[in-house]
Amino acid sequence: GAVVSQHPSRVICKSGTSVKIECRSLDFQATTMFWYRQFPKQSLMLMATSNEGSKATYEQGVEKDKFLINHASLTLSTLTVTSAHPEDSSFYICSAGGQGNYEQYFGPGTRLTVT
Amino acid sequence: QKEVEQDPGPLSVPEGAIVSLNCTYSNSAFQYFMWYRQYSRKGPELLMYTYSSGNKEDGRFTAQVDKSSKYISLFIRDSQPSDSATYLCAMSVYGNQFYFGTGTSLTVIP
Repeated sequence: GAVVSQHPSRVICKSGTSVKIECRSLDFQATTMFWYRQFPKQSLMLMATSNEGSKATYEQGVEKDKFLINHASLTLSTLTVTSAHPEDSSFYICSAGGQGNYEQYFGPGTRLTVT
Repeated sequence: QKEVEQDPGPLSVPEGAIVSLNCTYSNSAFQYFMWYRQYSRKGPELLMYTYSSGNKEDGRFTAQVDKSSKYISLFIRDSQPSDSATYLCAMSVYGNQFYFGTGTSLTVIP
């Protein structure tokens, strides 16, 4: 399967600061990337879908001004959590869509802790 | 009603047991059915996928889809401690938009 990396793997930041998470597809071009959030012992919650070169589509209830998504190239998407608060602490996972309908390759996730 | 229902467990079995994991769904338009395995603090990895109804086997893993009952299963034969993880089912109608179950936590005891 394809390889997707995320950076950083974990980050601790102070309340009110912004944090950027990078998601890269290393060996294929991903026209679509997805950003998920996962709370402990819960499933993946889709936050937004981003297509290269266009604006991201956010799921209902996700603040687009707080979670800024940029998908500037076929191999890189970024999620910026702006003015982070402790309730934003979570595990953020990206995935990259491949050619087939079942293909969605996940990154290893980023553990964000806001103090 | 959620699109996809999955018993969160936890499920604990002895090594060598046959494990059965299941999901039910409500949207009859789902055509693609996937099973992902997620180790603690890691991203999910694709285990198996099935298109439409039927069975698919890969080593110790068998995926079954029964569209008439809106029910999918993943069987793990000769379970190993390394199979201890959370198993997520996922489904899609078309394209990459997936609907995930909540995941079932499995522990295989040596």
